[in-house]
Amino acid sequence: QSALTQPASVSGSPGQSITISCTGGSSDLARFNYVSWYQQHPGKAPRLMIYDVNSRPSGVSSRFSGSKSGYTASLTISGLQAEDEADYYCSSYTDNATLVFGGGTKLTVL
Amino acid sequence: EVQVVESGGGLVQPGGSLRLSCAASGFTFSDHYMDWVRQAPGKGLEWVGRSRNKANGYTTEYAASVKGRFTISRDDSQNSLYLQMNSLKTEDTAVYYCARSAGTMTYFECWGQGTLVTVSS
Repeated sequence: QSALTQPASVSGSPGQSITISCTGGSSDLARFNYVSWYQQHPGKAPRLMIYDVNSRPSGVSSRFSGSKSGYTASLTISGLQAEDEADYYCSSYTDNATLVFGGGTKLTVL
Repeated sequence: EVQVVESGGGLVQPGGSLRLSCAASGFTFSDHYMDWVRQAPGKGLEWVGRSRNKANGYTTEYAASVKGRFTISRDDSQNSLYLQMNSLKTEDTAVYYCARSAGTMTYFECWGQGTLVTVSS
């Protein structure tokens, strides 16, 4: 199972909005509405931010939102804050009953 | 408090074996699918495998990169998950995370702090 494709890096200024894309294939992201997103700060464990494409766990800011169209899912962060600077990973369920992650995107808040 | 804590990491030679443990607390362990995810130094996350719950026969799934070498097991009486790693390769060097699946069992809502496995001669 090949990893999902994410941009290596994105950046934005405080208060701006950014979008991170995640592209998959017909056996994973395009087939299932089971896309999740994780935030990881250096040296820390990942934290769930979005699940099932566009659902937010309790405690996650409404500034984080998810969507999907065809082979591509997206994570949008609005009103960027300094603490949003982190690595972000997408994940999808696959038709082999396995899970696959994206390569990760480093978000820099300028 | 829902919590999972990994242990058992360390230095092992190529071709060697190691067993990781994950101790769970604060939830009904037997109800949940449990997964292992790893992260090589400076690299991204990689799903390793999962153990389904009792209701689903404790069946397991593995990533292609570890299938046939790694075995996931669990002991619900001890609220523990295990990862037996055999025929270790240098490319297995990583922080190994234990994670609890939830809802549609396609995402991880609780992660441990990870345990570092280093495969080197």
